[in-house]
Parts: sequence; structure tokens; C-alpha cells
Amino acid sequence: NTVMTQSPTFMFTSVGDRVTMSCKASQNVGVNVGWYQQKKGQSPKRLIYWASNRDTGVPDRFTGSGSGTEFTLTISNMQAEDPASYYCLQHNSYPWTFGGGTKLELK
Amino acid sequence: EVQLVESGGGLVQPGASLKLSCVASGFTFSDYWMGWVRQTPGKTMEWIGDIKYDGSYTNYAPSLKNRFTISRDNAKSTLYLQMSNVRSEDTATYHCTRRPYGGFDYWGQGVMVTVSA
Repeated sequence: NTVMTQSPTFMFTSVGDRVTMSCKASQNVGVNVGWYQQKKGQSPKRLIYWASNRDTGVPDRFTGSGSGTEFTLTISNMQAEDPASYYCLQHNSYPWTFGGGTKLELK
Repeated sequence: EVQLVESGGGLVQPGASLKLSCVASGFTFSDYWMGWVRQTPGKTMEWIGDIKYDGSYTNYAPSLKNRFTISRDNAKSTLYLQMSNVRSEDTATYHCTRRPYGGFDYWGQGVMVTVSA
């Protein structure tokens, strides 16, 4: 199975900060990675597909990058509505696997 | 608007069986692969499996393959997850997901399953 390792596990940020989180795959997954945002009490929402494509309606402050084994989600200008848990998912090979998540909170 | 609404969860005893349903609307259900994902109380996400748009092919997480079965009824726009011989570690929120080419795009709100004596 492909293990997806996210870091950091937890992050305190401030409005206006640039936030970067990482997802590392235990083997090459190409660009078959998505990023999901889950706010408290809600179901996950996809932000990024194919590693770097923003879903419709997702603010352009969210940017995904990477390929192969290393992936990054960047929030260029943290907003008050962005605290959430963020998960990466690899769909390159079965079984699909998720990272453990990065929980983002405001200071 | 795409909507996925799960039902059928609740409190079940270890060893019992349970069938979850997910009614889809807002898109042509029979055009899409669909999947199930669960999230444990500790927030770990686990892919359960998926099913081809016509129901002819399924994939499962190896650890669940012998106990979980995914099926669909395209005439009813409904996805199912049959769970058998449930264990305490199956306690989780179960989400129905739409699976276009390239990961999951839409998720249902989820249904809670608690396995306890």
C-alpha cells in the first residue's frame, strides 16, 4: 500500500499568513493526488485535483503543487474561514490512501 | 446541485450486519463510479472501496474485502454498503462519494455507525 505522510500534524497560524503543508508518498503516485478541506462538523470538500488543479469556486489563495512523491498545499493569505483539517489522497493505485491530516487553527 | 444523502447507520452489536444506503441527486448517477470512505472517531480517513458506473466491477480495501460489499441500483440512484460481522473498529462515520476520473469530488454528510455491545 502507498503510505501518505502529512506534515505538520498541527499548525497555528494568523490571518494573512502564508501557510504550507506537505504530503509525502511512500512510492511514486504521479500527479494522482487530491487535497481536501474538512471544517468542523462538515464533510470533506475537494480543493485540488490532479495535484495542482483548483476545483471550481475554490479561492485562488489555495495552490497545490508537486508530483511523484512530494506534494504541497499552500494557502497564500490565510483567511478567517480557512481553519480546518486538510487531507491529501492518492488515487494512483489501489487501495487508495489518505494522509493523516494537517489541522490548521488560528492563533 | 449534487447531493449525496446517506442513511441506515446507528448502534449495532458486534457480529451483526448492517446495510447503508446513499441516495444521489443532481447528476446522472449511472454515469459515475461511486465510492465509500469512512472516518474514525480519531479522524483517520479510510478508503473502503468503489464501484463502476454500471455495477459490473468493484474494488475494496484488502482489510475489508471479506466483510463489506458495495452495490448500486441505478434505477433508484442509490449506492449501498453491506457490512457484515461488524467489529468495534468499524465504528466510524461512513461517507458516500462520487468518483469521477481523478479522485472523489463530492461527499455526502455521512452516517454514523457505532459498534458496541
